[in-house]
Amino acid sequence: GDSVTQMEGPVTLSEEAFLTINCTYTATGYPSLFWYVQYPGEGLQLLLKATKADDKGSNKGFEATYRKETTSFHLEKGSVQVSDSAVYFCALKSSNSGYALNFGKGTSLLVTP
Amino acid sequence: EAGVTQFPSHSVIEKGQTVTLRCDPISGHDNLYWYRRVMGKEIKFLLHFVKESKQDESGMPNNRFLAERTGGTYSTLKVQPAELEDSGVYFCASSPGQRTNEQFFGPGTRLTVL
Repeated sequence: GDSVTQMEGPVTLSEEAFLTINCTYTATGYPSLFWYVQYPGEGLQLLLKATKADDKGSNKGFEATYRKETTSFHLEKGSVQVSDSAVYFCALKSSNSGYALNFGKGTSLLVTP
Repeated sequence: EAGVTQFPSHSVIEKGQTVTLRCDPISGHDNLYWYRRVMGKEIKFLLHFVKESKQDESGMPNNRFLAERTGGTYSTLKVQPAELEDSGVYFCASSPGQRTNEQFFGPGTRLTVL
């Protein structure tokens, strides 16, 4: 079945460092790919998405490119801020099975001043 | 516009007791979803309502879980009787009509079964 694998955390970075959180997936067909973020005490928020191969999603300085050849959707940001501290979830929605999102385990990011 | 709300935010119960979680979706959203995150694991899909009908309940773990959405507005998820492995964070999400629409999540209910 479909699955998402993302790098284990926690990840600790200094402010202004470069961030990469790896995400790979297994799916039949052509899934849509998502990154969700959960800030402390809040619900999950959609950070960015891509619906087809080679699409790049971007938001708030974060980017991720849908790579079909490597089945990856890595999240990157050039210069993180303390306010980016959160848990990041990679997810997919299969092209042939309903509305359900299929999530990875989440990666906790802590950015220190 | 109010977001998805969930009640309670935390619940601590003993094994064998019953707990009911509530979710209020964004007004006008026909689709409502329940997900669960057990400690250290993925967020797993439980079920999907379209209005008051269960569209997909393939993720419900067993018959101790009962979800309802009477009238197509708020939803409840009852666990009876609760077991230790039911502990986790239960998320509710809602979305408007189309499959491609973003799902908006609530803050979750943290359930601890002792």
